[in-house]
Amino acid sequence: QVQLQESGPGLVKPSQTLSLTCTVSGGSISSGSYYWSWIRQPAGKGLEWIGRIYTSGSTNYNPSLKSRVTISVDTSKNQFSLKLSSVTAADTAVYYCACGYSYGCGYWGQGTLVTVSS
Amino acid sequence: DIQMTQSPSTLSASVGDRVTITCRASQSISSWLAWYQQKPGKAPKLLIYKASSLESGVPSRFSGSGSGTEFTLTISSLQPDDFATYYCQQYNSLWTFGQGTKVEIK
Repeated sequence: QVQLQESGPGLVKPSQTLSLTCTVSGGSISSGSYYWSWIRQPAGKGLEWIGRIYTSGSTNYNPSLKSRVTISVDTSKNQFSLKLSSVTAADTAVYYCACGYSYGCGYWGQGTLVTVSS
Repeated sequence: DIQMTQSPSTLSASVGDRVTITCRASQSISSWLAWYQQKPGKAPKLLIYKASSLESGVPSRFSGSGSGTEFTLTISSLQPDDFATYYCQQYNSLWTFGQGTKVEIK
């Protein structure tokens, strides 16, 4: 059974860079036709897709966040990572990692709360 | 960008009711649509992919239909465990989520 687990600081100062890692266990991040995404959810609000990466290294980002987002993958560690620069309080949210696949991939991490505050 | 609009935003229903949630895309997404269920403090759970395919382990009372720009999620007989928020998601071009539909106890 594939499992995803987010990790990283729970508190980030304004203007700094938010960095999170998602570790994939129970399967290889490189297997199959999956790609790997980051999604966030502010408290009491809906889901916002941040971006995705294929194990080839190819990436796509939400146009509204593109200038601040970098997603990378480390296949040797079975991990992929998110960096979001110049954060403000509006970036405070639960951040999820998840897989993607045209014919359904339901693996999501449990989510990690990141608060932007001085 | 593709926009996804769900209706209603909130739905009050009783156990045993048939429930339908609608999702509209701002342009055609073929059948590249998924439905998720989310409960408070939990990650979303995939219910339906490719508009009408039931994810493994999801009860058969959940069904999805539609193509192009109009989609529906139907719960044939609402159960106590089904009170939650439901999101549609298009994956024809990047990902976009609908704003969510909260199914409440009537």
